[in-house]
Amino acid sequence: SAVISQKPSRDICQRGTSLTIQCQVDSQVTMMFWYRQQPGQSLTLIATANQGSEATYESGFVIDKFPISRPNLTFSTLTVSNMSPEDSSIYLCSVEAGLAGDTQYFGPGTRLTVL
Amino acid sequence: AQSVTQLDSQVPVFEEAPVELRCNYSSSVSVYLFWYVQYPNQGLQLLLKYLSGSTLVKGINGFEAEFNKSQTSFHLRKPSVHISDTAEYFCAVSGWNQGGKLIFGQGTELSVKP
Repeated sequence: SAVISQKPSRDICQRGTSLTIQCQVDSQVTMMFWYRQQPGQSLTLIATANQGSEATYESGFVIDKFPISRPNLTFSTLTVSNMSPEDSSIYLCSVEAGLAGDTQYFGPGTRLTVL
Repeated sequence: AQSVTQLDSQVPVFEEAPVELRCNYSSSVSVYLFWYVQYPNQGLQLLLKYLSGSTLVKGINGFEAEFNKSQTSFHLRKPSVHISDTAEYFCAVSGWNQGGKLIFGQGTELSVKP
């Protein structure tokens, strides 16, 4: 498995501002993922972040709104830009680990409230 | 593309009773299947997974699930639940050629009452 930490654990932000969420993993991993969990909802994949290449975004998510960095094999950031109340969600990062790299392990999440 | 349907949004059950949380999936390719648990105000924890081999998989905390390819199901079961099992449970699927992307069901809220 992998041990994943996220910062901040929660934040309350004003409309129109941006927040950068950090994800740190205790081992080198090739693939990192960012998910959004809106209140009372399931998880939706935002993007896949591979080191050394541009992130791949899912339908409905764009780089201008959710820029992602992946500077090395243990770290990634997700920025939520120009926030609105609709961005209030839990944001989770995950990594592929396990013997065959076929299982995703999740961080504790960042609970974001936008006023 | 894959999709996942969790047939029950809420499952109330009494302590020490058995429980089954239902999950059906659809996919045009072979899949990997997962169950995750989310305790209140926490992240997701892997309960168990099916990658290949035996269709009955055992996970943590006494949970097990059975992969049924003909019925495209992956139901989660526990013979005797505890109060501490109260949580949200998510079924997820990943296509073998989908670069690890997980598709989640809507979740089932398991509420265990004394």
